[in-house]
Amino acid sequence: RKEVEQDPGPFNVPEGATVAFNCTYSNSASQSFFWYRQDCRKEPKLLMSVYSSGNEDGRFTAQLNRASQYISLLIRDSKLSDSATYLCAVNPEAGSARQLTFGSGTQLTVLP
Amino acid sequence: NAGVTQTPKFRVLKTGQSMTLLCAQDMNHEYMYWYRQDPGMGLRLIHYSVGEGTTAKGEVPDGYNVSRLKKQNFLLGLESAAPSQTSVYFCASLGVSNYEQYFGPGTRLTVT
Repeated sequence: RKEVEQDPGPFNVPEGATVAFNCTYSNSASQSFFWYRQDCRKEPKLLMSVYSSGNEDGRFTAQLNRASQYISLLIRDSKLSDSATYLCAVNPEAGSARQLTFGSGTQLTVLP
Repeated sequence: NAGVTQTPKFRVLKTGQSMTLLCAQDMNHEYMYWYRQDPGMGLRLIHYSVGEGTTAKGEVPDGYNVSRLKKQNFLLGLESAAPSQTSVYFCASLGVSNYEQYFGPGTRLTVT
């Protein structure tokens, strides 16, 4: 089993739709969780951190479920500009040189 | 403030040739990382450094060497390139105050 798993998609949704991605992790000692966005042929960029209480940034909501060991990303009112690959990342454990283990990414295409 | 830069941006090597990829950051970050990204595989950690003069192996270190002689630079070397090393290589850096990794623009390497 991979340490961090994502549904690769692709997810093709119309503008204005709500779309959700999940990401599961295998190490129950994992400390920190993140969503990154990667545009085609570009570097990943941090979209948001994921906190235990859940957090929201505009149209984006991230949640953590420690009991079931997954994180989620919800995008409301999708825009064409949201089309990208979304990578989840997990810091495996304390003292791990702040390494991140990445999922393989979920591809989102928002259609006009 | 350029952030994280990588040179070169593109390179084609023949099997058996050697090369060095340079990563430079101007954010005074302690931690630096080298990843490779292959289709469907996500980002995989090759080597990392927690400070000047230190290096450590990541998930896929075989065939690569690294050096961190100066805090701002992290070099990735391929001593004898193989076609399996065809990939996109990303460098990232991280400060001590949070977990946001800043990525460079990537190097696209093809080994024929």
